[in-house]
Amino acid sequence: ETGVTQSPTHLIKTRGQQVTLRCSSQSGHNTVSWYQQALGQGPQFIFQYYREEENGRGNFPPRFSGLQFPNYSSELNVNALELDDSALYLCASSPRLVPAYNEQFFGPGTRLTVL
Amino acid sequence: ELKVEQNPLFLSMQEGKNYTIYCNYSTTSDRLYWYRQDPGKSLESLFVLLSNGAVKQEGRLMASLDTKARLSTLHITAAVHDLSATYFCAVDWEYGNKLVFGAGTILRVKS
Repeated sequence: ETGVTQSPTHLIKTRGQQVTLRCSSQSGHNTVSWYQQALGQGPQFIFQYYREEENGRGNFPPRFSGLQFPNYSSELNVNALELDDSALYLCASSPRLVPAYNEQFFGPGTRLTVL
Repeated sequence: ELKVEQNPLFLSMQEGKNYTIYCNYSTTSDRLYWYRQDPGKSLESLFVLLSNGAVKQEGRLMASLDTKARLSTLHITAAVHDLSATYFCAVDWEYGNKLVFGAGTILRVKS
């Protein structure tokens, strides 16, 4: 059983460009959450996808958007990149969305640098 | 809005000493997590605390949860250099794995 994987590992973009980050959830997991971790800060919740639908969003502007595919992999898209978007982007998957506790597993992250 | 506060934000310890990291949160929740992060790496799950009074221990680390006080502690016993890392607590505010993290505590253990 493979864990959560993310691609690419590192990425450099310039202001105003668009970027797509990818996440493959752990086998059997249908819920994917994305987090942004700026340097020296704790991760911040961006949004969550459950069975291909957005299921909750943090305090991020609409230029942050996402998708989840039938195989439960997910993409995070950021338009009109700003310098402050430079961060480590983490995705996490969990097996199902029910009130009972389900452990969430984090991927290795994608380091995005915006110049 | 749920707020999670950790203190101290930076902790420099001598090997062999004990210390406690505190995590306060502002809204009722009985799901609290502790993570470790090494520089440039992702999050490593340390403890999951799911009820009032929960206590878990792994090696030199012990975590506890007091939901009435909205407080969790991470106690370090006889610190060793390998424990140097950044430690985060996080609260699951909707019971749906949408975590709110504290700012982190940078721990440096000096020999």
